Amino acid sequence: NAGVTQTPKFRILKIGQSMTLQCTQDMNHNYMYWYRQDPGMGLKLIYYSVGAGITDKGEVPNGYNVSRSTTEDFPLRLELAAPSQTSVYFCASSSQGTGGLGEQYFGPGTRLTVT
Amino acid sequence: AQSVTQLDSQVPVFEEAPVELRCNYSSSVSVYLFWYVQYPNQGLQLLLKYLSGSTLVKGINGFEAEFNKSQTSFHLRKPSVHISDTAEYFCAVRPSGGSYIPTFGRGTSLIVHP
Repeated sequence: NAGVTQTPKFRILKIGQSMTLQCTQDMNHNYMYWYRQDPGMGLKLIYYSVGAGITDKGEVPNGYNVSRSTTEDFPLRLELAAPSQTSVYFCASSSQGTGGLGEQYFGPGTRLTVT
Repeated sequence: AQSVTQLDSQVPVFEEAPVELRCNYSSSVSVYLFWYVQYPNQGLQLLLKYLSGSTLVKGINGFEAEFNKSQTSFHLRKPSVHISDTAEYFCAVRPSGGSYIPTFGRGTSLIVHP
């Protein structure tokens, strides 16, 4: 199993540009999450999904969009990038319900700089 | 709703010394508790978890944590640290039923000096 994979690893965007951060998991997990990590601030939940076709906002959703058309993929879209979106982005997945104990598996992260 | 407080943002320690990283939480319902470790430029990985049963939980790399319900704490300990333990450590809590969305603390940076 590759676990949770994220692409790209690094990206520099100009203000106003758009991009999609890709996330794929091969563990058949129903829950998937997007977090951003800023120095000293821990992890902030952007969006999450409880299964294909179902997404919901987290703590800091403004400026982002997500979709979940398959169990495996959970892309995060940034529209009109702003300097405040400079951060490290982590995708995670977990298995909830029968047999799932809820610990999260994280991808390696995408380091995004908006200038 | 629940919240997590990691009382120390940074903990410096010498190699082979013991260490304790503190975590307190608040919740109106019963919870599951987790510690994750993040090595430089990597994602988080599970160190250990408390779901139920024995309050002393052992994890990977010689770490252990004790769940104290009366003090709503879940402190992480290691009797003798190594240089390779230098990392960011996150405490997380989520309800044992209902919402499966965890709440993370702000993290504690463990710095092990030779």
